[in-house]
Amino acid sequence: GIQVEQSPPDLILQEGANSTLRCNFSDSVNNLQWFHQNPWGQLINLFYIPSGTKQNGRLSATTVATERYSLLYISSSQTTDSGVYFCAVAVKGGATNKLIFGTGTLLAVQP
Amino acid sequence: SAVISQKPSRDICQRGTSLTIQCQVDSQVTMMFWYRQQPGQSLTLIATANQGSEATYESGFVIDKFPISRPNLTFSTLTVSNMSPEDSSIYLCSVGQGARNTEAFFGQGTRLTVV
Repeated sequence: GIQVEQSPPDLILQEGANSTLRCNFSDSVNNLQWFHQNPWGQLINLFYIPSGTKQNGRLSATTVATERYSLLYISSSQTTDSGVYFCAVAVKGGATNKLIFGTGTLLAVQP
Repeated sequence: SAVISQKPSRDICQRGTSLTIQCQVDSQVTMMFWYRQQPGQSLTLIATANQGSEATYESGFVIDKFPISRPNLTFSTLTVSNMSPEDSSIYLCSVGQGARNTEAFFGQGTRLTVV
């Protein structure tokens, strides 16, 4: 089956710093989403981005489907950005909302 | 996006018992998905629940352990049967929304602890 690897696995930042999270996938996909899991376990949708670039405030994401990777950029990080970031993909040919999750990046933003 | 409500939000259960988790959506959806997140791990798909047919289970998950009901287009239940401490996890339901139901959204999850 498809493999979805995220890097780095852990990241510690000082408040105000910028960061880039990476998601590599091993096969063609027809959906890619980024999520933030807060300390209470809730998954918050960040981006639906099977290809191209999107921005939402301090966050932006880019997916290069032909090269099988996606990047999530966090600028001017805040302590509330702390948590686990997951990318998730849907395998081409399957349901676009049936997701395979990546390994996750645990982000800690220190004041 | 759809409002997805899960109940209970958390529970502590005795080993050997069963727990049924409910997932209610405020709009009709064709497919609903159930995921498990073990402590410190990523999310893993358990099964796809379609209205009017049996659920489709992923490798490593069986109907006897995780029976699923899907009585209508807005509701589903997942039962965790004969629980052991290894079943302690967050269980989440998910539906597709947006244009052509392509984007997945999740309920708030059920945090289960088995003692």
